[in-house]
Amino acid sequence: DAKTTQPNSMESNEEEPVHLPCNHSTISGTDYIHWYRQLPSQGPEYVIHGLTSNVNNRMASLAIAEDRKSSTLILHRATLRDAAVYYCILEVLNKFYFGSGTKLNVKP
Amino acid sequence: DAGVIQSPRHEVTEMGQEVTLRCKPISGHDYLFWYRQTMMRGLELLIYFNNNVPIDDSGMPEDRFSAKMPNASFSTLKIQPSEPRDSAVYFCASSLSNAANYGYTFGSGTRLTVV
Repeated sequence: DAKTTQPNSMESNEEEPVHLPCNHSTISGTDYIHWYRQLPSQGPEYVIHGLTSNVNNRMASLAIAEDRKSSTLILHRATLRDAAVYYCILEVLNKFYFGSGTKLNVKP
Repeated sequence: DAGVIQSPRHEVTEMGQEVTLRCKPISGHDYLFWYRQTMMRGLELLIYFNNNVPIDDSGMPEDRFSAKMPNASFSTLKIQPSEPRDSAVYFCASSLSNAANYGYTFGSGTRLTVV
């Protein structure tokens, strides 16, 4: 029961910014938006999360639309190590609802 | 901090056999989650514990699956009897208090193949 919609794949050039979109039109007021990424043969790794305001950390920025029905993960300078599947997730009452994710390919 | 530790990394078993997957969460984390990942269904939450107590097992596919958390540092996911459709990667994750504040830490997973 995925509650988020993401493009299947995206491509970026190394050292350029990447904007990964996510739609979550059924979000409610208390649902957090999380982003995780998964490298091959590894478990998902935390990237960033937020509720209403835009968030920044050392890995990325999260821009949340004013109506909260969509969000964008921003990688400011993509590196080859950022190639992974990026999951946009809604947290509803302690449960994560994973979508199918966006596979990011980074070209040198 | 060794992270969330899962064992074994790989398991191949014959249909009908019992399989036990193990997880050691990060010390001090009070939430523990079991997920299953397949190509067809993606990542699915099977069950989660808070302070060693099962809170929500609605994702457990059927009675063949059971999970326990006898103490704060150990959890098991058991499948008995196993079937080929149980083949998947099983992840354990732990978090402090709730993920809204602290996020989850996932283990590296156990790749289960049932033949």
